[in-house]
Amino acid sequence: NAGVTQTPKFRILKIGQSMTLQCTQDMNHNYMYWYRQDPGMGLKLIYYSVGAGITDKGEVPNGYNVSRSTTEDFPLRLELAAPSQTSVYFCASSYSLRTSGRNEQFFGPGTRLTVL
Amino acid sequence: DQQVKQNSPSLSVQEGRISILNCDYTNSMFDYFLWYKKYPAEGPTFLISISSIKDKNEDGRFTVFLNKSAKHLSLHIVPSQPGDSAVYFCAASRVIQGAQKLVFGQGTRLTINP
Repeated sequence: NAGVTQTPKFRILKIGQSMTLQCTQDMNHNYMYWYRQDPGMGLKLIYYSVGAGITDKGEVPNGYNVSRSTTEDFPLRLELAAPSQTSVYFCASSYSLRTSGRNEQFFGPGTRLTVL
Repeated sequence: DQQVKQNSPSLSVQEGRISILNCDYTNSMFDYFLWYKKYPAEGPTFLISISSIKDKNEDGRFTVFLNKSAKHLSLHIVPSQPGDSAVYFCAASRVIQGAQKLVFGQGTRLTINP
């Protein structure tokens, strides 16, 4: 199992450009999450999904969009990049706590994004 | 308003001794508390968790203690090993529709000295 994979690893964007951060998991998890981590800070939840076709906002959703058309994929879209979106982005997935009893999230390696 | 705080940015411990990492929270509605470990250029990896109805959970060298009246939890690592050197994040979760919405602390960088 590859676990959670993210592409690209690094990206530099100009202000106003758009891009999609890709996230794929092969563990058949229903739950997927996007976080951002700013320097010296903890991770903050951007969006999450409880299954294909169902997404909801997290703590810091402004400037981002998500979609979940399959169980495996959960892309994050930045429409008009701003310097404040310079961060490291982590995707994660998890089992159903209710059915598995497991509450950990499995994280990808991250995408380092710089907006200039 | 930071709901989960780790007030020590860094901690240095000698190999073989106990490492104690601390975390405070403000919201009594959290369902679980979790500890994650993070190496540079990698995603966080899960270490151990505790339900809000428990006061202790142990897994090998790792023990988490929860003091609900003080809204405080701690992670004990005994004995500390060089491979434990990493950034440790405390996180608190609310379970919404089965999804765990995590709130993270700022992290504590643990260095284990030989």
